[in-house]
Amino acid sequence: AQSVAQPEDQVNVAEGNPLTVKCTYSVSGNPYLFWYVQYPNRGLQFLLKYITGDNLVKGSYGFEAEFNKSQTSFHLKKPSALVSDSALYFCAVRDAPNFNKFYFGSGTKLNVKP
Amino acid sequence: KAGVTQTPRYLIKTRGQQVTLSCSPISGHRSVSWYQQTPGQGLQFLFEYFSETQRNKGNFPGRFSGRQFSNSRSEMNVSTLELGDSALYLCASSPDSAPPQPQHFGDGTRLSIL
Repeated sequence: AQSVAQPEDQVNVAEGNPLTVKCTYSVSGNPYLFWYVQYPNRGLQFLLKYITGDNLVKGSYGFEAEFNKSQTSFHLKKPSALVSDSALYFCAVRDAPNFNKFYFGSGTKLNVKP
Repeated sequence: KAGVTQTPRYLIKTRGQQVTLSCSPISGHRSVSWYQQTPGQGLQFLFEYFSETQRNKGNFPGRFSGRQFSNSRSEMNVSTLELGDSALYLCASSPDSAPPQPQHFGDGTRLSIL
C-alpha cells in the first residue's frame, strides 16, 4: 500500500536561514509525489510535484524538493525562509494504478521566526 | 480560471441532524475528491467521483455519502451527525489525465456539531 510519513510535527527556523521539511514514502510502483501548503482557514495549495526526470524539482514561492530513490525521501527545501512561509505543509503520494487516490502525510507545521 | 468553490464555508448543526455540502470543481475537471481534516486524524480521504460514479472510497461509515452531477459538481451528505464529525471538509478537483496531475483544493466547509 502507498503511504507517506512526515517525521516532524513542527519545524522552527529563523528568517533568512535555509529550511527543510522531511517526507519519506512507500510505494509499490513508480512514485508520484506532491507537496502542498495550507494557510489558516484555507484549503491546500499545490507547491510542486515529482513524476519523473530530474531529482531536484522546483516549485512555487522559491520552494524545491529533492527526490531520493535510494532513501525513499522527498524533502521540501528553501534556501532562505520568510516569515510568510509559516504554514502547514503536507507531502502526498498518488496511487498510480488508481490515479486519483492520494495519500497524505500528517503534516508539518513550519514556524519561521523574524 | 475560477478555482474550486465550496459552499457553505461554515455550518453549525446538532447531533442527529443531516447536512449536505457542495463543491464546484474547476471547469474541465471531471474528478472530484472529498477529504475530512481534523487536528487529531489529519487529512483523511472520503471518496472520489468521476463521471457521476464513485471511483474510490475511503474507510468511512455509510453515513457519509456523495454524488456527482453531469456538470461535475459534487455534493457530500452526512446523516445522523455525531460530535466526532466536527471537521473541515475539503473538496479537490483534478483532470483525469496522464501524467498524474495535482489536485486543486477549495477552502473547505467547516462543520461544527453541537
